Amino acid sequence: KAGVTQTPRYLIKTRGQQVTLSCSPISGHRSVSWYQQTPGQGLQFLFEYFSETQRNKGNFPGRFSGRQFSNSRSEMNVSTLELGDSALYLCASSYGGSGYTFGSGTRLTVV
Amino acid sequence: QKEVEQDPGPLSVPEGAIVSLNCTYSNSAFQYFMWYRQYSRKGPELLMYTYSSGNKEDGRFTAQVDKSSKYISLFIRDSQPSDSATYLCAMSATGGFKTIFGAGTRLFVKA
Repeated sequence: KAGVTQTPRYLIKTRGQQVTLSCSPISGHRSVSWYQQTPGQGLQFLFEYFSETQRNKGNFPGRFSGRQFSNSRSEMNVSTLELGDSALYLCASSYGGSGYTFGSGTRLTVV
Repeated sequence: QKEVEQDPGPLSVPEGAIVSLNCTYSNSAFQYFMWYRQYSRKGPELLMYTYSSGNKEDGRFTAQVDKSSKYISLFIRDSQPSDSATYLCAMSATGGFKTIFGAGTRLFVKA
């Protein structure tokens, strides 16, 4: 059974640019959540999608957005990148609220 | 004050020791409690998932939840070097969605 796939694994961007990260959940999982992980703040909840609808949102600025497609794949976008956006971005899928299965993450470096 | 408090460690123990990891929380609405293990350069992996108060055992791992004290624990028996990782506690009021994570405790098990 394939796990959660995140692409790309690594990304280097310049301040002011935008970036799109992709996540393919486990087959049959309709809930996809995104987290930002940094050494100082730990895992911070970004948002959660279920059946193409955003169901929950964390306390991040509007520069962070996401969407989910009909096949449950999800993307998140960060516009006008700042140095502080450098982090590991983790996608997690879930079935029936029984805990998350995480991907390996996308490590974003903003220079 | 953070919703979930977890000592970041590091915690260093000899092989074969019993390890105790703990978290406290402030939100009495939390009903679902999880422990995740994260190896370097990997996403977190679900170890234990419990609902409400009580104990749950899975092999060398035991999770305890005391809702009256707002305190959860993970015990690892006969610890192995392969248990060296960061352990994150996590909690949710709604069955795993919008899960809040602790900062994570780095554990080193020395052979």
